[in-house]
Amino acid sequence: AQRVTQPEKLLSVFKGAPVELKCNYSYSGSPELFWYVQYSRQRLQLLLRHISRESIKGFTADLNKGETSFHLKKPFAQEEDSAMYYCALSYTGRRALTFGSGTRLQVQP
Amino acid sequence: DAGVIQSPRHEVTEMGQEVTLRCKPISGHDYLFWYRQTMMRGLELLIYFNNNVPIDDSGMPEDRFSAKMPNASFSTLKIQPSEPRDSAVYFCASSRTGASGYTFGSGTRLTVV
Repeated sequence: AQRVTQPEKLLSVFKGAPVELKCNYSYSGSPELFWYVQYSRQRLQLLLRHISRESIKGFTADLNKGETSFHLKKPFAQEEDSAMYYCALSYTGRRALTFGSGTRLQVQP
Repeated sequence: DAGVIQSPRHEVTEMGQEVTLRCKPISGHDYLFWYRQTMMRGLELLIYFNNNVPIDDSGMPEDRFSAKMPNASFSTLKIQPSEPRDSAVYFCASSRTGASGYTFGSGTRLTVV
């Protein structure tokens, strides 16, 4: 069965510091990976998807099939980046997303 | 488009009462998902529909939970009888075939006392 692991419950950094939110997955086929963000008491919003290889709000994520990872990175954190970040996986034949447990990012001034 | 609309936003009910959560997906979306979010378990898929037909309900906790999608623009999640451990935020999301990712609703925060 597929599984998504986010090893850090909380990541606290200072403004301007680099950020890396870790995500590892287990799935034997070709998955589709996503990052979702949830600001305080708001709905989840799609941040990134690996197939589009885009940069949103300065965040990037690269799918590493060898390491089965999809880490989220930003070179310089901003206070408004403080939120809950979820990594998620789906695959052909299963539309539903499997989410990791989430990492809370706190960016301190 | 107003996005995925959920109602109510907040629900407080007593243990044993029936609770009905509602969701209106984005027009044209043929997939609808119900998720539950708790501090302990994170986001759990409860059930999802494709073209109003339930595809996977293996995440529904027990017989107290039921979900329906009578038409393409409306779905309900019912808990009967409710228990304190059902307290959570329940999210509905929708998507369409060919598009990746979902659009989530604002969620219903359920408190069972």
